[in-house]
Amino acid sequence: GESVGLHLPTLSVQEGDNSIINCAYSNSASDYFIWYKQESGKGPQFIIDIRSNMDKRQGQRVTVLLNKTVKHLSLQIAATQPGDSAVYFCAENYGGSQGNLIFGKGTKLSVKP
Amino acid sequence: DGGITQSPKYLFRKEGQNVTLSCEQNLNHDAMYWYRQDPGQGLRLIYYSQIVNDFQKGDIAEGYSVSREKKESFPLTVTSAQKNPTAFYLCASSPGEGSGTGELFFGEGSRLTVL
Repeated sequence: GESVGLHLPTLSVQEGDNSIINCAYSNSASDYFIWYKQESGKGPQFIIDIRSNMDKRQGQRVTVLLNKTVKHLSLQIAATQPGDSAVYFCAENYGGSQGNLIFGKGTKLSVKP
Repeated sequence: DGGITQSPKYLFRKEGQNVTLSCEQNLNHDAMYWYRQDPGQGLRLIYYSQIVNDFQKGDIAEGYSVSREKKESFPLTVTSAQKNPTAFYLCASSPGEGSGTGELFFGEGSRLTVL
């Protein structure tokens, strides 16, 4: 999700539940998308990516869904664990220099034990 | 271990002073980037470099300068012209054009506070 002002959207889930984090991207020409996880005070870490010729990609406990019609990206985390608590960013690349990504504002995931 | 090293992790600066943040990578990546992160905000691109001795301005380059004299190093100078320099600064690298991936590899960040 996108945030307004200084407050990040927050998703609070119970340990063991599935989490779904949403992201609306801006450019219909974007052809590559990445999800990053950022723990407090640390740099972002790569989670999973997807190209625009796909609508779904699965990793270990994570699935990314891409809906190009409505320019929407989601990250699903199965069996959410306390270690998943972090801020999650989506990023899009619309054909500029490889690695020149446009980042969303992030969603804070809190996992309750 | 291969990775990106940023230093210092925390830095305090008085108003009017320039400060340089270090970023070193041993991943043999061609491209390097500097981002700024403010509370509750996404990452904003300051400068990037696709190759040694070349760099381009990002979205918020004013008040910052960089150099890329070596492939491994991409230092960022926050000058006194930067009006609101207090932020978390992130350095990243990527394999570069033609690698088939746009993934960025990030350092652990440097937190700059202006007193």
